[in-house]
Amino acid sequence: EVQLVQSGAEVKKPGESLKISCKGSGYSFTSYWIGWVRQMPGKGLEWMGIIYPGDSDTRYSPSFQGQVTISADKSISTAYLQWSSLKASDTAMYYCARFMELVGTGYYFDYWGQGTLVTVSS
Amino acid sequence: QSALTQPASVSGSPGQSITISCTGTSSDVGGYNYVSWYQQHPGKAPKLMIYDVSNRPSGVSNRFSGSKSGNTASLTISGLQAEDEADYYCSSYTSSSTNVFGTGTKVTVL
Repeated sequence: EVQLVQSGAEVKKPGESLKISCKGSGYSFTSYWIGWVRQMPGKGLEWMGIIYPGDSDTRYSPSFQGQVTISADKSISTAYLQWSSLKASDTAMYYCARFMELVGTGYYFDYWGQGTLVTVSS
Repeated sequence: QSALTQPASVSGSPGQSITISCTGTSSDVGGYNYVSWYQQHPGKAPKLMIYDVSNRPSGVSNRFSGSKSGNTASLTISGLQAEDEADYYCSSYTSSSTNVFGTGTKVTVL
């Protein structure tokens, strides 16, 4: 059974750094892209970016390029989303999800984590 | 890249059919047959309902169907049920080799 288990809720102050995680199991972690989606309070889904753990190839949405860092440690089947200096506007639920990308078919999230709530407040 | 445009809300009575539209451009929806749809109940993670415009994952009811014409994709829910009340989001692959989500549609079962 494919599972993505995310780290717990975080409460941080503006300017602090943060790294949240997403551990995959039940499939070959290095053979599928994994991505992150932001959902601000009461708002819609936003596609942030994806990483291929096999070779760490990473793609970012233009809206998030330079704002966050996506990484992965294939030895422990875990993907990460990282901020170097949080802002209040980073307050949101963040979901990780497995991303299907196959020539001729694909480009969608098929399995999702449970979400990590990040609250940034002074 | 801008979010794909969806109606803010759509409603219908039990048993009826409703259709949610998702409008993009030739750089996303119109350029590729890679539109997907997600259902999200309050406080829950999204769930994949349709991929590649019209394909249903295993386990998704055949009451859900997808289509596309030009720059607009559509999700149709037939035989509307109370459990279908949720938010729905479309998503498309783009010419930037990334994806973009739609603005989201709240479905209300009257």
